[in-house]
Amino acid sequence: EDQVTQSPEALRLQEGESSSLNCSYTVSGLRGLFWYRQDPGKGPEFLFTLYSAGEEKEKERLKATLTKKESFLHITAPKPEDSATYLCAVQVVDSWGKFQFGAGTQVVVTP
Amino acid sequence: DAGVTQSPTHLIKTRGQQVTLRCSPKSGHDTVSWYQQALGQGPQFIFQYYEEEERQRGNFPDRFSGHQFPNYSSELNVNALLLGDSALYLCASSALAGVNSGANVLTFGAGSRLTVL
Repeated sequence: EDQVTQSPEALRLQEGESSSLNCSYTVSGLRGLFWYRQDPGKGPEFLFTLYSAGEEKEKERLKATLTKKESFLHITAPKPEDSATYLCAVQVVDSWGKFQFGAGTQVVVTP
Repeated sequence: DAGVTQSPTHLIKTRGQQVTLRCSPKSGHDTVSWYQQALGQGPQFIFQYYEEEERQRGNFPDRFSGHQFPNYSSELNVNALLLGDSALYLCASSALAGVNSGANVLTFGAGSRLTVL
């Protein structure tokens, strides 16, 4: 069965204190790995898609990387506005549309 | 350009009642998926609709049903509500990719918060 596990469950950072979030996955065949950001009371907002091991994507203070078993979301010099829950999801080969999400990592960045 | 819109934003029901949630996809998208997100959890896939048909379904009972209309909008119906159905229900739209082509990004709405008492 396809599984997605995120760690840590929660992360508290000082402004400027860089850190990484982990997403480990077990799937029959990876079609794509997605990172989303979710603010309280809102729907997830798309950040990145990664397709193959070794791929990296960057956006402002965020950088996502992918290996054959896990993905990392690196937050460099975070600001309070980076506070959110970060969700990882996988889409598997031979699947029409199902995304398998992890439980998320709740990030709080304090000034 | 409007994104994914959902209604209602909040609703309260009692056990045993039925509820209908509505979704309009992003312009240019023809595929709608529904997810259930319990507090503190990631979204769980309910089902996906394309060309007015259910394409794929997650591990949800038959109490959960849906519909897609010719204009691509969609409804989620839940019958015989249970306390455990309390959750944020998310609609996501996408442009359908082939089953083994590149992965397609989901665009989510803000959700409908359902409370069952």
